[in-house]
Amino acid sequence: SYVLTQPPSVSVAPGQTARITCGGNNIGSKSVHWFQQKPGQAPVLVVYGDSDRPSGIPERFSGSNSVNTATLTISRVEVGDEADYFCQVWDSSSDHLWVFGGGTKVTVL
Amino acid sequence: QITLKESGPTLVKPTQTLTLTCTFSGFSLTTSGVGVGWIRQPPGKALQWLALIYWNEDKRYSPSMRTRLTITKGTSKNQVVLRMTDMDPVDTATYYCTHIRKAATTPLYYYYYMDVWGTGTTVTVSS
Repeated sequence: SYVLTQPPSVSVAPGQTARITCGGNNIGSKSVHWFQQKPGQAPVLVVYGDSDRPSGIPERFSGSNSVNTATLTISRVEVGDEADYFCQVWDSSSDHLWVFGGGTKVTVL
Repeated sequence: QITLKESGPTLVKPTQTLTLTCTFSGFSLTTSGVGVGWIRQPPGKALQWLALIYWNEDKRYSPSMRTRLTITKGTSKNQVVLRMTDMDPVDTATYYCTHIRKAATTPLYYYYYMDVWGTGTTVTVSS
């Protein structure tokens, strides 16, 4: 089965840039989506299709995807960005399976 | 505006069958490219995809859970039902349903993504 690997945690100071990676075999050939989840809340889509943002998501959130690593970048980090972030792919080559990464806790110092 | 809400028992006993209902509004499950999925999250752990149903009645299941899951459209046209048999304490989790949308970047390339989630319902499995 397809596996997505994320670092367990990332720490960043306010105003700096946070980069969260999502590793997977040939992930660059798939579409990657990112979710933000704050404590006690449902996940919220922040990036879809590698780099598109849903309406209402700040431009500070951006995504990229190449070869074996997809990256979610949060620019000018704010205290309110502290949350868990999950990457996800839809694997059309494997019977339409959906796979989530293990999640990354972003801590704003 | 798309909304989804999960409902079902908060407590089930081991070996029982769990039935969850997702009631949605703001879209039709007969519209091409649309689907509804179920995802769960054990306390403090990662998200796990369980099952989904597309507008054309196509159903997909997580390989690790396939033998225990059944997803169907509900008796009401704005509902999707998930059944999970032989519940175990490890199945204790928050269960979410999601709206699935199809995006086509080119005439030949498309993908699906989950753009709206319900608030989730917590299920505890304990005797």
